[in-house]
Amino acid sequence: TQLLEQSPQFLSIQEGENLTVYCNSSSVFSSLQWYRQEPGEGPVLLVTVVTGGEVKKLKRLTFQFGDARKDSSLHITAAQPGDTGLYLCAGPGGSNYKLTFGKGTLLTVNP
Amino acid sequence: DTAVSQTPKYLVTQMGNDKSIKCEQNLGHDTMYWYKQDSKKFLKIMFSYNNKELIINETVPNRFSPKSPDKAHLNLHINSLELGDSAVYFCASSFPGQGGGYTFGSGTRLTVV
Repeated sequence: TQLLEQSPQFLSIQEGENLTVYCNSSSVFSSLQWYRQEPGEGPVLLVTVVTGGEVKKLKRLTFQFGDARKDSSLHITAAQPGDTGLYLCAGPGGSNYKLTFGKGTLLTVNP
Repeated sequence: DTAVSQTPKYLVTQMGNDKSIKCEQNLGHDTMYWYKQDSKKFLKIMFSYNNKELIINETVPNRFSPKSPDKAHLNLHINSLELGDSAVYFCASSFPGQGGGYTFGSGTRLTVV
């Protein structure tokens, strides 16, 4: 089973600060996805990265896939309270019909 | 309008009871899944179905029996509920393939007392 380790597990910051969360594995992934989950809801897909070294931007969120396709990072610029949530990375779990998730980073942005 | 809808949202039941959770998707996806999220927020796959056929059963106890009457529906029946079954259960769907993003339902919080 390919494992995804996310860090930090918890992050509490003030509005306006920048932050980076990480997703690491010892295995190579063909692609990685990032999801955000808000309380009482299911995870929502933010982005899929597929090429080593790829950088994707979604407004204030910047996603990077490592050159070796073993890791990914999510950087948020000028965090807002609306960014609060559980950020999950996920990758194919050895099958076209299975996505393996990391344990997530719980982000709290205080006003 | 909801892409993946699951019912009920909350389920409180006694140990030993049998309960079902229903899931429907209107996205035309071929593949549907059940995931379990524990109290530490870890999402673990339970089952995946592709066009009504079981593809993955991730060593889930036999008390859990999924059923897919058609590719838009995947229900989960649980027999003889145990305290350890308390969790949030998520249904999801996607097109098959390693790049396909999942669309999740809003979850069913099951509490066994």
